[in-house]
Amino acid sequence: DIVMTQSPDSLSVSLGETATINCKSSQNVLSNSNNKDYLAWYQQKPRQPPKLLIHWASARELGVPDRFSGSGSGTDFTLTISSLQAEDVAVYYCQQYYSTPRTFGQGTKVEVK
Amino acid sequence: VQLVESGGTFVQPGGSLRLSCAASGFIFSNYWMHWVRQAPGKGPVWVSRINSDGTRIDYADFGKGRFTTSRDNAKNTLHLEMKSLRAEDTGIYYCARDRGGVLGSTLFFWGQGTPVTVSS
Repeated sequence: DIVMTQSPDSLSVSLGETATINCKSSQNVLSNSNNKDYLAWYQQKPRQPPKLLIHWASARELGVPDRFSGSGSGTDFTLTISSLQAEDVAVYYCQQYYSTPRTFGQGTKVEVK
Repeated sequence: VQLVESGGTFVQPGGSLRLSCAASGFIFSNYWMHWVRQAPGKGPVWVSRINSDGTRIDYADFGKGRFTTSRDNAKNTLHLEMKSLRAEDTGIYYCARDRGGVLGSTLFFWGQGTPVTVSS
């Protein structure tokens, strides 16, 4: 199974500042056939299901604010939340869909400082 | 897109349960569907997926031999049958629609989930 490891486990950021979350996969999730990284990011707010933010490592879902951006390739990925807003307080998960079982990172809790 | 799970309840260890997920707002028969669970205070864990016509089903290791995923495309419904339940199966069970593609993709939309508690 591909193990996904996020860092940090939590971070506290001032409103308007940038939050950076890292995700590392134990195996490459870049496909040679289409040159795409099979990596997604989700946001989960309390008492809600996870919401897909980004797929293919950097493609934002429709309606997701452009302050959310994903980057990276291969085994190392980053979710950046620029100009943090109060509504961005949540737990963020990375997930690989390169192979089954689909696996998630342990989550990063983002709070307002 | 709407996904509504049902069937979650309190069950004793060793018991069985059948979860359902009613889908609407999209062409159900076109998409892979997934089950994901989340234990209290923990991250999501993928459970199973089924392709659009039900001919391919994959399970997490913990579900092999105990869980059975099926779908009824005529009724736009996804099911998860679970047997020999253990305390560690406790959590919220979500169904999720795949983002799309013949080989399956990531989890595009999630239902609100149904809670399962396994305890004596």
